[in-house]
Amino acid sequence: DAGVIQSPRHEVTEMGQEVTLRCKPISGHNSLFWYRQTMMRGLELLIYFNNNVPIDDSGMPEDRFSAKMPNASFSTLKIQPSEPRDSAVYFCASSPDGPEKLFFGSGTQLSVL
Amino acid sequence: AQRVTQPEKLLSVFKGAPVELKCNYSYSGSPELFWYVQYSRQRLQLLLRHISRESIKGFTADLNKGETSFHLKKPFAQEEDSAMYYCALRGAGGFKTIFGAGTRLFVKA
Repeated sequence: DAGVIQSPRHEVTEMGQEVTLRCKPISGHNSLFWYRQTMMRGLELLIYFNNNVPIDDSGMPEDRFSAKMPNASFSTLKIQPSEPRDSAVYFCASSPDGPEKLFFGSGTQLSVL
Repeated sequence: AQRVTQPEKLLSVFKGAPVELKCNYSYSGSPELFWYVQYSRQRLQLLLRHISRESIKGFTADLNKGETSFHLKKPFAQEEDSAMYYCALRGAGGFKTIFGAGTRLFVKA
């Protein structure tokens, strides 16, 4: 099992451009989470899904951020338009139902110039 | 509101010294507490959880409901313990897991 797969690993873009981050959770996991990691604020939960349905998006910073999970094996996090303050590492994690741990992807390092 | 506080951003100790990474939480109910670790160039991974009451790599953590704390301890730090440590909380029976800001542990030779 390759674990949670995120792409791209690195993304460098200019302010105002659209950015799409991708995540493939572990097969059979029902919950999927998007986190943002920064030096100042650590790991912030942006949104999470259960059985492909968004459960809590209260952590999404602004309307510029959106996330989808069209099926059990794929999710996207989109930023449009991107801004320099969005620069961070974005992690996707998945877990099975029940009191289980999170399995994290390798993250996407986003730099908005 | 759920909140996890890790007061130290950086903790530096000498090899062989005891180490304690602090974690305090705010939650109205019975939480599940975790410690996750991120070693250099590796994925964030679970270190231990309070319901298991286990020792992993010499680390232990006890849930103190009176003080709402879940501090991570190790009696003798090793250089390979140098990493980023995150305390995390999940409401019992829930899905949502929130993390503290993290503490970077640096163990000096």
